[in-house]
Amino acid sequence: SQELEQSPQSLIVQEGKNLTINCTSSKTLYGLYWYKQKYGEGLIFLMMLQKGGEEKSHEKITAKLDEKKQQSSLHITASQPSHAGIYLCGADYSNYQLIWGAGTKLIIKP
Amino acid sequence: EAGVTQFPSHSVIEKGQTVTLRCDPISGHDNLYWYRRVMGKEIKFLLHFVKESKQDESGMPNNRFLAERTGGTYSTLKVQPAELEDSGVYFCASSQSSQVNEVFGPGTRLTVL
Repeated sequence: SQELEQSPQSLIVQEGKNLTINCTSSKTLYGLYWYKQKYGEGLIFLMMLQKGGEEKSHEKITAKLDEKKQQSSLHITASQPSHAGIYLCGADYSNYQLIWGAGTKLIIKP
Repeated sequence: EAGVTQFPSHSVIEKGQTVTLRCDPISGHDNLYWYRRVMGKEIKFLLHFVKESKQDESGMPNNRFLAERTGGTYSTLKVQPAELEDSGVYFCASSQSSQVNEVFGPGTRLTVL
């Protein structure tokens, strides 16, 4: 089994609807990073979570890290076409290398 | 298929010295990216190559950093002279032009003493 599992693999959502992406670790995280990836643009940093129970928001995107620091969810409210892309979570177990989730491809239907 | 490889895995140098990091992308991947993560902070973009050309180098912190990708294959990132704040993990990633997903290398940990 993988250390870090991200779900779902892909998501098609009607514009204006809410959605959630999950990232689950098999062991306690030092930190959890959320990134968005757009074609030809590299990674766009969204949020970093380090404390159990921590929640951060950026525009209409909210990310939480659970109390046990083993699961994080990314929630988008009232999705827009600009939210389309691939969302990646990155797990920090040692403050050195990052373990990446497989990514979630998000498509927004107009 | 071999993944993205980086060399060395860890480098310890003294302030003022020069270090060269190498990234070998997946064969056939035209896009190559360099990122850096300073201890405890998020990964930050450094630059993007398309083949041998620098597409975007807006993330390069200063002129002590020089990236090259001669022939559009492997890439090097030279830091000269290295400063204490350059310590961190340097990631390389590559992607094929027609794909979206970047594949990340394991990173090179740089420690400047």
